[in-house]
Amino acid sequence: NAGVMQNPRHLVRRRGQEARLRCSPMKGHSHVYWYRQLPEEGLKFMVYLQKENIIDESGMPKERFSAEFPKEGPSILRIQQVVRGDSAAYFCASSPPWGGNQPQHFGDGTRLSIL
Amino acid sequence: GNSVTQMEGPVTLSEEAFLTINCTYTATGYPSLFWYVQYPGEGLQLLLKATKADDKGSNKGFEATYRKETTSFHLEKGSVQVSDSAVYFCALSEVEGGTSYGKLTFGQGTILTVHP
Repeated sequence: NAGVMQNPRHLVRRRGQEARLRCSPMKGHSHVYWYRQLPEEGLKFMVYLQKENIIDESGMPKERFSAEFPKEGPSILRIQQVVRGDSAAYFCASSPPWGGNQPQHFGDGTRLSIL
Repeated sequence: GNSVTQMEGPVTLSEEAFLTINCTYTATGYPSLFWYVQYPGEGLQLLLKATKADDKGSNKGFEATYRKETTSFHLEKGSVQVSDSAVYFCALSEVEGGTSYGKLTFGQGTILTVHP
């Protein structure tokens, strides 16, 4: 049973470019969460999605960041016009559809570096 | 809002030493509590959890007890191994209002290094 798959593992972008991070949840999971880990810090919640719906985006920066989880395909976290401060590890987690406080299963993350 | 505070690290121990990593939390309701472990270059793995007061989570020799009176969830292990070297995160998840999910609020993480 494949775990949460994130790609790419490492992504390098120049300032002003766009970054697209992909996340395929575990089989049977329909809840997806994105977290950001800045250097030397813990993970901070960004957004929670279900298929075709954004449920909670209270942790997303107001500009340049967007997320989607289409009916088919992986969840995408998109960062437009990247800046140096966007350098971080971005983790995706998924949980089963029956809700509640189910443990979240994490991918190995995408490490984004901005030149 | 919710918050989690972990003891500051890094923590350096010799093999077979006793480990305690302190974790306290602030929450408005009745959260579930978790310990996650992160090995270098990898994502977080669930280590153990507890969903209500006085529950004890345990796994791989690690234990933590949900203490509502002290709002704590300290991680302990009686005899650490070199392979336990990693970053440990305490986290809470709270079902809010009418929602049926719990986004995780993390502590800042504690780096553990175990020497032979």
